[in-house]
Amino acid sequence: QITVKESGPTLVKPRQTLTLTCTVSGFSLSTTGVGVGWIRQPPGKALEWLTLIYWDDDKHYSPSLKRRLSVTKDSSKNQVVLVMTNMEPVDTATYYCAVSIPETMAWGQGILVAVSS
Amino acid sequence: EIVLTQSPASLSLSPGERATLSCRASQSISNNLAWFQQKPGQAPRLLIYDASNRATGIPGRFRGSGSGTDFTLTISSLEPEDFAVYYCQQRSDWLTFGQGTRLEIK
Repeated sequence: QITVKESGPTLVKPRQTLTLTCTVSGFSLSTTGVGVGWIRQPPGKALEWLTLIYWDDDKHYSPSLKRRLSVTKDSSKNQVVLVMTNMEPVDTATYYCAVSIPETMAWGQGILVAVSS
Repeated sequence: EIVLTQSPASLSLSPGERATLSCRASQSISNNLAWFQQKPGQAPRLLIYDASNRATGIPGRFRGSGSGTDFTLTISSLEPEDFAVYYCQQRSDWLTFGQGTRLEIK
């Protein structure tokens, strides 16, 4: 059984940098074809993809946010780390990590991050 | 950027009825479309990928169809647990979601 868990701060101040970690168990992120993505959802609003990193370290970013985003993968720890710079109140959202494997996706429960002074 | 427009924004039906949800892309995306279900306080769940393939563990009452710019998610006979918000998502050009259709109990 695959489990996915997001961790990190739940409150950041404006202009600070957010660092979130996605820890996956029950499945190796080095497996061919596997991708790990970060998706966010502001309260009461729709979903938005932020970034996607594949098993071979191929990385993709949202065109509108790519200047603020960075994603890295540590296969030895089975973790993916998202860094998002210059946080603002509009970035307040639940941030989800999701693992994409053939024919399914496994999602974490999400972490609500508020941006406020 | 490819924009996905979902209709209707909300739909009120009774258990046992058939639900038809639509998703229209601003340009052709071939069959690069997925459908997700999201219940309050939960993460989304993948239902359909590549327009018409059911994800692992998804019941047969969920059916996806369409290609190009017009797509449909059909739930043949609604169960109480099916009332949720449904999102379509394309992967033809980056990854974007529609705004969602809220399926409510009548």
